[in-house]
Amino acid sequence: QQQVKQSPQSLIVQKGGISIINCAYENTAFDYFPWYQQFPGKGPALLIAIRPDVSEKKEGRFTISFNKSAKQFSLHIMDSQPGDSATYFCAASKAAGNKLTFGGGTRVLVKP
Amino acid sequence: DTAVSQTPKYLVTQMGNDKSIKCEQNLGHDTMYWYKQDSKKFLKIMFSYNNKELIINETVPNRFSPKSPDKAHLNLHINSLELGDSAVYFCASSSQRGQTGEAFFGQGTRLTVV
Repeated sequence: QQQVKQSPQSLIVQKGGISIINCAYENTAFDYFPWYQQFPGKGPALLIAIRPDVSEKKEGRFTISFNKSAKQFSLHIMDSQPGDSATYFCAASKAAGNKLTFGGGTRVLVKP
Repeated sequence: DTAVSQTPKYLVTQMGNDKSIKCEQNLGHDTMYWYKQDSKKFLKIMFSYNNKELIINETVPNRFSPKSPDKAHLNLHINSLELGDSAVYFCASSSQRGQTGEAFFGQGTRLTVV
């Protein structure tokens, strides 16, 4: 049973476009929702994270939108660049610093 | 200066062998983890240690035995390796006392069992 579902599995976007990745969770005890970026041959690295007391968080070109009632959250990558080509994982945990439950990942390819 | 370092980066071994992966973190974190990433890129928690004590064991076969000699180190020993153990294993660390709780991951160990 997958507690965090992520879609789409892959995404192709033109340079300058917007990439949108969606996640849904089931466990209402989750209260920390990070997004991780992973390049080939590297470990995941934290991109941005949100807690359920806010509905949106923006850091540079990356924005998380959070809908607590729907138990959904999404990552928007604005002005996508070829260097953004990577696999993105949403995750959830019961508190910051606790074990992470990951979504299945989205492979993003930004075409120049 | 690498925050979370694991060795080796690549490991190719035959079925039935025993192997170990080592992990060290220099972030002063109190919690360390092992995650497994399968061929479909799915990441799943295996173990979690807090202050050298095992706190999570996620239905992992007994052939996998983690060991934490101190707060900065978490090793993974695997007995009687099977083909299905082929995956990338990531060590990670975090602080349960910190404000952000960010988990830092190592670069991974790609284990191939032949």
